[in-house]
Amino acid sequence: NAGVTQTPKFRVLKTGQSMTLLCAQDMNHEYMYWYRQDPGMGLRLIHYSVGEGTTAKGEVPDGYNVSRLKKQNFLLGLESAAPSQTSVYFCASTQGKEQYFGPGTRLTVT
Amino acid sequence: GNSVTQMEGPVTLSEEAFLTINCTYTATGYPSLFWYVQYPGEGLQLLLKATKADDKGSNKGFEATYRKETTSFHLEKGSVQVSDSAVYFCALSGAPKTSYDKVIFGPGTSLSVIP
Repeated sequence: NAGVTQTPKFRVLKTGQSMTLLCAQDMNHEYMYWYRQDPGMGLRLIHYSVGEGTTAKGEVPDGYNVSRLKKQNFLLGLESAAPSQTSVYFCASTQGKEQYFGPGTRLTVT
Repeated sequence: GNSVTQMEGPVTLSEEAFLTINCTYTATGYPSLFWYVQYPGEGLQLLLKATKADDKGSNKGFEATYRKETTSFHLEKGSVQVSDSAVYFCALSGAPKTSYDKVIFGPGTSLSVIP
């Protein structure tokens, strides 16, 4: 039981490049979330999903897209990366009230 | 709307000192309250929780009591260790039976424990 996994762990992009972050969970959770963590700002919700095939916007969705084609996977895409998207990205899943977090992806956009 | 306020850090304590990290919240209904901990280089993990007023959550020597009258959920530990050095997040989630359990996180409090 791996819990929540994220790939990659680290990535450096140039401005304008695109990439996809993958989150996978093996707990059969319905709800999945993408957050970004920036110094002094805590965690901010980017997008979330309440089930396979559904997605919704969180607090800071601009510049990101998501897909939930399979229940266990939640993908976060950056179509045209900007330096403001330099951050640590966390995926989480839940079935009840406790959220289970992945180890994070550290993304730097130069 | 719902919100969480935590004391500003960083907090630096000597080993075996008493720890309090203050947390207050604003919410409608009856939220559940949580403390999450983030060790360096890792994701957040649940430390303890309380789901109704006067509940006390406890884990690894940490405790917090859900005080509805003061809308608080302060984290305490009687004797901290170096291994407790981490960032601590207070959080709340909405009333029961909502279809989407959005979690509101506080900004986090960094704790450093020195030998």
